[in-house]
Amino acid sequence: DIQMTQSPSSLSASVGDRVTITCRASQDIRHYVAWFQQKPGTAPKSLIYGASTLQSGVPSKFSGSGSGTDFTLTINNLQPEDFATYYCQQYKSYPLTFGGGTKVEIK
Amino acid sequence: QVQLQESGPGLVKPSETLSLTCTVSGGSISGYYWTWSRQPPGKGLEWIGNIYNRGTTNYNPSLKSRVTISLDTSKSQFSLKLTSVTAADTAVYYCSRGGNYADTWGQGVLVTVSS
Repeated sequence: DIQMTQSPSSLSASVGDRVTITCRASQDIRHYVAWFQQKPGTAPKSLIYGASTLQSGVPSKFSGSGSGTDFTLTINNLQPEDFATYYCQQYKSYPLTFGGGTKVEIK
Repeated sequence: QVQLQESGPGLVKPSETLSLTCTVSGGSISGYYWTWSRQPPGKGLEWIGNIYNRGTTNYNPSLKSRVTISLDTSKSQFSLKLTSVTAADTAVYYCSRGGNYADTWGQGVLVTVSS
């Protein structure tokens, strides 16, 4: 299985900050990465696929980059509604696997 | 827009079979992959498996011996069966659309395994 390692596992940030979350794959997965946002008690929401393509309706404050084994999710101008847990997921091969999550909390 | 809704018992006894159904509305069930995932309380996401509209399935090897995903296009539903459950199978179970990454998710249903 391909392991996805996210860092940090949690971070504290202020409204208006720029935040970067990293995801590292245990092998080359090209650009086959998706990112999800999950708020407490709700289902994950798709943000990005193909490492950098925004899902329809997702604001441009979210951006993704990377290829191969190293990927990042960046959130600009953090707002109260952005405080959540973020997950990366690889779809290069089965079984599909998720990172452990990064919880973005209010400082 | 397409919506997904999970349904099924919220409590299952150890060693029994967990059965859930996902109803798809607002869009066609044909031509897409449909996926089940789960999330134990306070933990991360785990992919269980998916099915394509011709019945092709892919399962997580960690669960493969116990999992069956099936599709009923006439009812716009797909289902999950997980046999011989233990407390470790307690989780919120999500259905979603998409074979590689899910673009639409159901709200999830908590299934507790307990006697």
